[in-house]
Amino acid sequence: GESVGLHLPTLSVQEGDNSIINCAYSNSASDYFIWYKQESGKGPQFIIDIRSNMDKRQGQRVTVLLNKTVKHLSLQIAATQPGDSAVYFCAEWRAQIIIFGKGTRLHILP
Amino acid sequence: NAGVTQTPKFRVLKTGQSMTLLCAQDMNHEYMYWYRQDPGMGLRLIHYSVGEGTTAKGEVPDGYNVSRLKKQNFLLGLESAAPSQTSVYFCASSPGTAYGYTFGSGTRLTVV
Repeated sequence: GESVGLHLPTLSVQEGDNSIINCAYSNSASDYFIWYKQESGKGPQFIIDIRSNMDKRQGQRVTVLLNKTVKHLSLQIAATQPGDSAVYFCAEWRAQIIIFGKGTRLHILP
Repeated sequence: NAGVTQTPKFRVLKTGQSMTLLCAQDMNHEYMYWYRQDPGMGLRLIHYSVGEGTTAKGEVPDGYNVSRLKKQNFLLGLESAAPSQTSVYFCASSPGTAYGYTFGSGTRLTVV
């Protein structure tokens, strides 16, 4: 069936390096994607979104890339900091709801 | 501006007991959602509402009921709690289709 999923459940990155978290989707009709960050014990927090008429969108230290040809989404975090330690979910709008992937846990190494 | 507020934050129930989780938003959002989050399972949609007086089933609706009598409130009810309903429950709201959700801080429910 169609789903939104992430390639890796866990990613470890050295503090100060860039992090790249990947996500694959299978619904070619999808036109709106979102990345969420969830810190331990908290609700998911909106990071950045992108619509299908864009290939790239930048925020503060974060960039989302969308490759519609291969149905791939990625979140890039520049100069990763300890505060970036969290679970990251990619998500996709379908009709009136958001479908979430299972998440990638980002570990920051000192 | 409080955003999305969930009450209670923690609750322990005995099997067979009932309870209601309350979600309130002050952003005048049309859409509201209830998700549950279990280890390794991500976020699964229980029920949702696209406007006052409307509700719809999500991926895992069995054992739950909801009501949206007022635009700002979305209630999730458990009529007869079961241990399988032990989870963290998140409420979220959105202005409409293709906008990001705003989430509450969650309710951690344990059914013993």
